[in-house]
Amino acid sequence: KAGVTQTPRYLIKTRGQQVTLSCSPISGHRSVSWYQQTPGQGLQFLFEYFSETQRNKGNFPGRFSGRQFSNSRSEMNVSTLELGDSALYLCATRLGAGRTDTQYFGPGTRLTVL
Amino acid sequence: AQSVTQPDIHITVSEGASLELRCNYSYGATPYLFWYVQSPGQGLQLLLKYFSGDTLVQGIKGFEAEFKRSQSSFNLRKPSVHWSDAAEYFCAVGDAGNMLTFGGGTRLMVKP
Repeated sequence: KAGVTQTPRYLIKTRGQQVTLSCSPISGHRSVSWYQQTPGQGLQFLFEYFSETQRNKGNFPGRFSGRQFSNSRSEMNVSTLELGDSALYLCATRLGAGRTDTQYFGPGTRLTVL
Repeated sequence: AQSVTQPDIHITVSEGASLELRCNYSYGATPYLFWYVQSPGQGLQLLLKYFSGDTLVQGIKGFEAEFKRSQSSFNLRKPSVHWSDAAEYFCAVGDAGNMLTFGGGTRLMVKP
């Protein structure tokens, strides 16, 4: 079974631009979560989607948004990029929304903002 | 709010030596606990998880962890470290809303 796929793997943008990242879950997985990883702040939860609905949201500004499609694929968007948005963005998918459903992580998208 | 502390930022052990990585958590209810490993440039791979039951949990790659409620700890152990174990290790606690809160990570280096 194929793992979690994230595209693109690497991205370079300039301040003020916007960016869209994509996550394709493991087949059958319906929950998708997004995390930001930076050297200073570590791993931080962004949001979770299940059945096209946002279930949880972390403490990030409104510039960070996401959505989930009917095939469970998810995208996250960051508008008006800032230098501090440079990070590894990780997607994690789960079979369902139960607390015991294990999250499986993708390889991440490395975003660099210049 | 929940939190996770990994007191050791870096640890160096010799190949073949035993390993223990420390993890302390703060959570108001029954915690769901995880250990993940991250190799350079890679995502996170689940090593093991604790939901309930036996407090000694076995994972992949020969790792195990012990949940100690009285100490709010979930330390990761391996009896004999291999050079391929060099990576960064993250402890995490999952809340009722399924959000994972991670510790700051422990970078493991293995000496030949």
